[in-house]
Amino acid sequence: GAGVSQSPSNKVTEKGKDVELRCDPISGHTALYWYRQSLGQGLEFLIYFQGNSAPDKSGLPSDRFSAERTGGSVSTLTIQRTQQEDSAVYLCASSLGGAQYFGPGTRLTVT
Amino acid sequence: SQQGEEDPQALSIQEGENATMNCSYKTSINNLQWYRQNSGRGLVHLILIRSNEREKHSGRLRVTLDTSKKSSSLLITASRAADTASYFCATDATGNRDDKIIFGKGTRLHILP
Repeated sequence: GAGVSQSPSNKVTEKGKDVELRCDPISGHTALYWYRQSLGQGLEFLIYFQGNSAPDKSGLPSDRFSAERTGGSVSTLTIQRTQQEDSAVYLCASSLGGAQYFGPGTRLTVT
Repeated sequence: SQQGEEDPQALSIQEGENATMNCSYKTSINNLQWYRQNSGRGLVHLILIRSNEREKHSGRLRVTLDTSKKSSSLLITASRAADTASYFCATDATGNRDDKIIFGKGTRLHILP
């Protein structure tokens, strides 16, 4: 079946603009994660959704970052008033517990 | 922090040699996973070892877990050029909400021809 998909694959935006990144998880997966990865660095946890529970937002770096997961499926990560330090690859993963399945990521460049 | 830390940060070996990477963590865990990442994009799950397991094999991969030392190792035998990648460990701490897992910073493995 289809894996995790993310869109867009690349996004270039001007400093100060808002961006929305989308994640389509594997159907039926209850857990959904967002991570950020700067060049050559490890994964930085951002936010975690599990079923109908309140999301774990402990990794969001500032109040400019927010995420939603509608109907327990598709998730959108929104970054408001983007800054150059927001430039990174944003990775989404879904899981039924245990192994996580990652999407290809969205490479965000803030100019 | 529960986050795992991989060691070494970078490793270069000759093709055909064995590669060993280590992961240390700080809190009790339910399980530990290893992932591979090529070209800075999505990670691929390699293997999961539960806290009551000591060793697990998958093809050329061998993972050990020592809960008394809070450490794990990933051994890749007979390395190939295609094994060049970053390798991450991820832990699922007991007491964590649901199944949340946290990744380490990774080991960059380079296989020399």
